[in-house]
Order: sequence, then C-alpha cells, then structure tokens
Amino acid sequence: GEQVEQRPPHLSVPEGDSAVIICTYTDSATAYFYWYKQEPGAGLQLLMSVFSNVDRKEEQGLTVLLNKKDKQLSLNLTAAHPGDSAVYFCAVSAGFASALTFGSGTKVIVLP
Amino acid sequence: NTKITQSPRYLILGRANKSLECEQHLGHNAMYWYKQSAEKPPELMFLYNLKQLIRNETVPSRFIPECPDSSKLLLHISAVDPEDSAVYFCASSPTGGAGNERLFFGHGTKLSVL
Repeated sequence: GEQVEQRPPHLSVPEGDSAVIICTYTDSATAYFYWYKQEPGAGLQLLMSVFSNVDRKEEQGLTVLLNKKDKQLSLNLTAAHPGDSAVYFCAVSAGFASALTFGSGTKVIVLP
Repeated sequence: NTKITQSPRYLILGRANKSLECEQHLGHNAMYWYKQSAEKPPELMFLYNLKQLIRNETVPSRFIPECPDSSKLLLHISAVDPEDSAVYFCASSPTGGAGNERLFFGHGTKLSVL
C-alpha cells in the first residue's frame, strides 16, 4: 500500500524566516494531496489541497509544490510567525474510497 | 471548529464499556473515525458514506461503529486495552471518498485507559 515519508520531524524557525517540509510518496496512482495543521490539543485543520494536475499552489503565505516525477510534495511557509507553531501533516489519496495516508508529521516551532 | 462536535472530550476508563459520539453540522455525506496515538499521525479506523460502512480497517473487534444517520457517528468500545489510549478523531467530508476529499476534523476525544 501507499507509504508516505515526511521530513524533517522537527523544525525550529526564526520568526520571519521560511521553512520547508517535504513528503515523499510511493504510489504513482496518488491523485490528491493535502496539508494539515494540528495545534496542541486540537483536531487537524486543512491548509491546502491540490490535485495531481497542479504543480504549484500559493495561498496566504503558504506554497505547495508537487513533483510527480520524483513523487514529492512540499510545503513552504514564508515569513513564519508564532501562530505557525504547530505539527504539520501531509496526506495523500489515490481516489474513490481511498482513505488519506498521512505522513509522520513535522513539529514546527517559530522562535520569536 | 464547532461544526463537528465530539463528546466526551476526555475519557478515563478501566475495563468498562463506553461510547464516543460525533455530530457534524456541515451537511456532509461521509464520516470517519481516526485514531491518533501519541506522536503519530492519524490512522483510519472506519469510513461511512451515506450511513453505509465502506471502509473498515484492521481494528480490534472491541471497537464497533454505528452511524444512525448521516450526521451522527458513534464508536462503541468494550473492554478497553491500554493500547487503546489515544485521541479518537471524528471527521467528515462532502462525499465518501469520491476523490478530492477535504476532511474536516473534530477536536477529538482523548481516551486514557488505566
């Protein structure tokens, strides 16, 4: 089945700097890609979703890049601020009745 | 997110039976139970679409889901085991695994087994 590797597991980012989280998936049939944010004691909040025909998507200080050739998905946080401190998960899905397969998560701490 | 409510928020159990409840006010057709153990990503347990169970992952038989209507989801747990200590998230999405599923998660129920 699908496997998703996410790195790095931890990331400390000075406020105002950028941070990059990378996920690598294995199933070439994977068609849907997501990034979720989880704050302490809370559920997962969907940040962005992209379909496989999109290489780049930008929304509200976040950039998602999809490299289908290398089966790699990345999230770039630009100009990090303390509110960005959380655990970030990538997730992928192959389509109908395919549940999300999550990466292992990246704990991001934004340093003031 | 107050549009998916879960109860209770915290649950401390010995070897008792208990039910977790979830209700979504988003008009979604699909509802999910996920289990998140400490320092791990969420793992799918069950997926319902229009009240039909369409995904049933390898889950101990002491976990029994129930979907009385498309906005409500229950998880009945009997004779819990210490390995069941985790946060259980309910989630919903507009359609059941039709592809581009944007899942919305509740706040979770933290289960602690004594």
